[in-house]
Amino acid sequence: DAKTTQPNSMESNEEEPVHLPCNHSTISGTDYIHWYRQLPSQGPEYVIHGLTSNVNNRMASLAIAEDRKSSTLILHRATLRDAAVYYCILRDSFQGAQKLVFGQGTRLTINP
Amino acid sequence: DSGVTQTPKHLITATGQRVTLRCSPRSGDLSVYWYQQSLDQGLQFLIQYYNGEERAKGNILERFSAQQFPDLHSELNLSSLELGDSALYFCASSVDSQNQPQHFGDGTRLSIL
Repeated sequence: DAKTTQPNSMESNEEEPVHLPCNHSTISGTDYIHWYRQLPSQGPEYVIHGLTSNVNNRMASLAIAEDRKSSTLILHRATLRDAAVYYCILRDSFQGAQKLVFGQGTRLTINP
Repeated sequence: DSGVTQTPKHLITATGQRVTLRCSPRSGDLSVYWYQQSLDQGLQFLIQYYNGEERAKGNILERFSAQQFPDLHSELNLSSLELGDSALYFCASSVDSQNQPQHFGDGTRLSIL
């Protein structure tokens, strides 16, 4: 499984944008970049995923570097509810097994 | 609400016992995944079922087994429980096995005394 590297923790202020980085230098051409988050006392929650182009949805934006060796999850206006552990995960689109391989993630703290 | 239902929410039992955790996937989802989250190991994949058949195995102990029934609900059976089995057990489901997002339940917290 291709590995990702994320900072252990980040801190931001409410109503400000948050940029969560992820390095994946060994990414293969068929790996999708997925982001999940886990709020306290809950199961992981899907946030967004992409292959090459930048992606937007109602929760966040995903910016993917041109060489695909890094990506950034962008929360445009953080709220207290966005405090969670954020996981960046690579998934091979051609693998039969679709397990998620979670790393340590980034613990995001939002200050009021 | 993810649409994935796990029961029970909490389970307290003793070493050597056997327990069954239950998962009802989102309506229409054919794949069910089981994950274990412990303080020292983080979130780890255990096993996947797709439409009633085992599709992939991860770090699942021989004391653990799972199955997916014709109505697509799944059960994770844990036997000869040890203190180290204390963890959160999550079930997730997806439409199929092809790179679709997984939707997680709120987990079952298992405590072994």
